[in-house]
Amino acid sequence: IAGITQAPTSQILAAGRRMTLRCTQDMRHNAMYWYRQDLGLGLRLIHYSNTAGTTGKGEVPDGYSVSRANTDDFPLTLASAVPSQTSVYFCASSRTVAGGEDTQYFGPGTRLTVL
Amino acid sequence: SQQGEEDPQALSIQEGENATMNCSYKTSINNLQWYRQNSGRGLVHLILIRSNEREKHSGRLRVTLDTSKKSSSLLITASRAADTASYFCATTKGDDKIIFGKGTRLHILP
Repeated sequence: IAGITQAPTSQILAAGRRMTLRCTQDMRHNAMYWYRQDLGLGLRLIHYSNTAGTTGKGEVPDGYSVSRANTDDFPLTLASAVPSQTSVYFCASSRTVAGGEDTQYFGPGTRLTVL
Repeated sequence: SQQGEEDPQALSIQEGENATMNCSYKTSINNLQWYRQNSGRGLVHLILIRSNEREKHSGRLRVTLDTSKKSSSLLITASRAADTASYFCATTKGDDKIIFGKGTRLHILP
């Protein structure tokens, strides 16, 4: 692994189903983030984690949960998917969150369609 | 809600010309970053400018920051086909979380 990876690449999901999007980084970054990108709305922060064992809510957290059991992994779970969660999801990481000066490194994204 | 707002939303220029994109924001910031996103890919960091800086250069990129006007500009000189992408500004406020704008779609015409 080099950098940050996401799985799956894309997924079609029936409404009401549970889904976990996976994110793994091998850069030993402390901070990790989940964004959703929708046409015309740019990137919006869903949840973040400043360090292993801690998580926080972003701008649009409802319907999503995250966990940070270790430094490398930051899964995003949709407990009961709804069509409005159709989006492209990006995971990102940065060395620290100190004043936001650290570059964020992005994964390739997961395209999720909820029918 | 978005902190940064890019302008224009879309821009098409001939290869070799310079491309200028602007970003306006609403509140005071710690710093401002510009990212590029190629179609179907994740964002890639281009450059960061701190609130006490007025201009930075990186290769063909020039970024300016005017905190009195709460605006920044990204200039790409001598554009190339490979510069075709979406460009996002991202600002950091006091709570350290980065907020991205909606982006400018840049298309370089051959």
